[in-house]
Amino acid sequence: DTGVSQNPRHKITKRGQNVTFRCDPISEHNRLYWYRQTLGQGPEFLTYFQNEAQLEKSRLLSDRFSAERPKGSFSTLEIQRTEQGDSAMYLCASSLVFGGARVAFFGQGTRLTVV
Amino acid sequence: AQTVTQSQPEMSVQEAETVTLSCTYDTSESDYYLFWYKQPPSRQMILVIRQEAYKQQNATENRFSVNFQKAAKSFSLKISDSQLGDAAMYFCATTINQGAQKLVFGQGTRLTINP
Repeated sequence: DTGVSQNPRHKITKRGQNVTFRCDPISEHNRLYWYRQTLGQGPEFLTYFQNEAQLEKSRLLSDRFSAERPKGSFSTLEIQRTEQGDSAMYLCASSLVFGGARVAFFGQGTRLTVV
Repeated sequence: AQTVTQSQPEMSVQEAETVTLSCTYDTSESDYYLFWYKQPPSRQMILVIRQEAYKQQNATENRFSVNFQKAAKSFSLKISDSQLGDAAMYFCATTINQGAQKLVFGQGTRLTINP
């Protein structure tokens, strides 16, 4: 399977615990994005990487959130001291330029439930 | 701020019929791209069709076509010969920040195909 892979698919955690998600992008894609999707809404941008450099972070990304992409390959998204409001689907996408347009390929997401 | 509005939370169509999903957007970007993504119940977002804003010709991909009205900031998706596999959430999106090309999504339209 050469698509974007995310693990775990589902995560249930108690409030206050830390969680970490992993994203493996399509190998030749140098850009990687994280989005968050709450029920009934479209995805919202969180952050993105160009190779290993994190170039932009949304205001949605509080200081409890941290993302890394060591060596420009896989990426991790960590949430510290989880809150119930963090419950959402976390989507990863990697992208490639097609005819000038940067087309994003999404993973299946990690669904986080904070109880 | 860039916004994308999908005014139809739900749509349904008979199998083999044609359906049109609406999308309007607001952007301050001079150069941007528009996309329709499909999100089946398995939750992986799949690109359906893309449109470069500088192109007047409407994009077409097999049974999927768009009606792009730049002045009206409208970008509707037409699905011809609807199939059961077309049932999904459909999201309209535009890029912001030409360099980052992060996506801003609408709230989605749930499409049901009636056999």
